[in-house]
Amino acid sequence: SQTIHQWPATLVQPVGSPLSLECTVEGTSNPNLYWYRQAAGRGLQLLFYSVGIGQISSEVPQNLSASRPQDRQFILSSKKLLLSDSGFYLCAWNTGVAGGPEQYFGPGTRLTVT
Amino acid sequence: GENVEQHPSTLSVQEGDSAVIKCTYSDSASNYFPWYKQELGKGPQLIIDIRSNVGEKKDQRIAVTLNKTAKHFSLHITETQPEDSAVYFCAASRDSGYSTLTFGKGTMLLVSP
Repeated sequence: SQTIHQWPATLVQPVGSPLSLECTVEGTSNPNLYWYRQAAGRGLQLLFYSVGIGQISSEVPQNLSASRPQDRQFILSSKKLLLSDSGFYLCAWNTGVAGGPEQYFGPGTRLTVT
Repeated sequence: GENVEQHPSTLSVQEGDSAVIKCTYSDSASNYFPWYKQELGKGPQLIIDIRSNVGEKKDQRIAVTLNKTAKHFSLHITETQPEDSAVYFCAASRDSGYSTLTFGKGTMLLVSP
């Protein structure tokens, strides 16, 4: 069966510091991968998605970037964090070309920028 | 692009009552409609979905209905239990692995014992 991991689970970082969040998926090949942010409200904002290694689509211009160095690894980064980057970051996957649009989420990373 | 509206934002019910959450969407090309349950501090969990070729789908105490003409779909939970308390999200997309989901803003369901 497929499993999605995110780490760290929680992170407290000062303003201006760098960020690296990691997401990995097990048990599948060539997945589509997604990064979402959930701010203090409840909405899910799509930040980036990737349909393959090195292929990144950005949905919202911002202080963040994403990379996909391996088939099942998706990384969210920032060079300098802002207070507004605080939130709950969720990674998700689906089977991409081989399957349908069903997305499955990871456990999330709670980021607090102080 | 697609826009999904979800109501109500908060819903309080007594244990054993039914709960209904409603969503509307704007893109007539959307044909896949999932529902997610998110418990506090956890990632959303896909609980049920429906495609446009059916009008209703059931799974034990939960059901989803779809009205493509009116562009709205609903989640029905019967015989609610305290463990149903969570935030529920609806979403819409085209039925393709390349599609991205557009989410509603969520409904916080509180089930009191």
